[in-house]
Amino acid sequence: SQQGEEDPQALSIQEGENATMNCSYKTSINNLQWYRQNSGRGLVHLILIRSNEREKHSGRLRVTLDTSKKSSSLLITASRAADTASYFCATVTQGGSEKLVFGKGTKLTVNP
Amino acid sequence: EPEVTQTPSHQVTQMGQEVILRCVPISNHLYFYWYRQILGQKVEFLVSFYNNEISEKSEIFDDQFSVERPDGSNFTLKIRSTKLEDSAMYFCAGHLAEVDEQFFGPGTRLTVL
Repeated sequence: SQQGEEDPQALSIQEGENATMNCSYKTSINNLQWYRQNSGRGLVHLILIRSNEREKHSGRLRVTLDTSKKSSSLLITASRAADTASYFCATVTQGGSEKLVFGKGTKLTVNP
Repeated sequence: EPEVTQTPSHQVTQMGQEVILRCVPISNHLYFYWYRQILGQKVEFLVSFYNNEISEKSEIFDDQFSVERPDGSNFTLKIRSTKLEDSAMYFCAGHLAEVDEQFFGPGTRLTVL
């Protein structure tokens, strides 16, 4: 089964708009993390939300977690062209190892 | 700020050759991982390493793969006999505490011809 499936697969918005990306998963989790990847580059950690948390903020990022629906969303407010990247959610399964299980990602394009 | 480094940034090799990908994790980290990402696809877990031994490995991590932490700083991934389908970006990652964000290196792009 697939874990950490994001939607949409691709999102194109104008600078200044908000971008919302969603992630669904199948198993019980310890935590869920969002990462950003610029084209062909490494993964940059954005935010971690634990299974007992419902919402977390970091700068222009807002993450929500709904464990009853096994879903999470990442909101980027007031987007900038520099936010253009792929965004991945990754889960750490409860009772398992600390390995990350990644989704396929959302490719975000912010047009100036 | 400390960061994870990986060498080389790009490795080109012939099918059947052995490659060693190197990583220097952040010095106080205890948990280490290798992941790979085939072009255009999602990041896949290969292996986790803790307390000087493999703690978990995926189906991808077959007998052709091995990991070592030979000197307490470097963390290596060896592919004994590369196949075309091993072409991918390989990332190492690490973290300190059990529930913690993972810090990723910039990756090594492996191209098998």
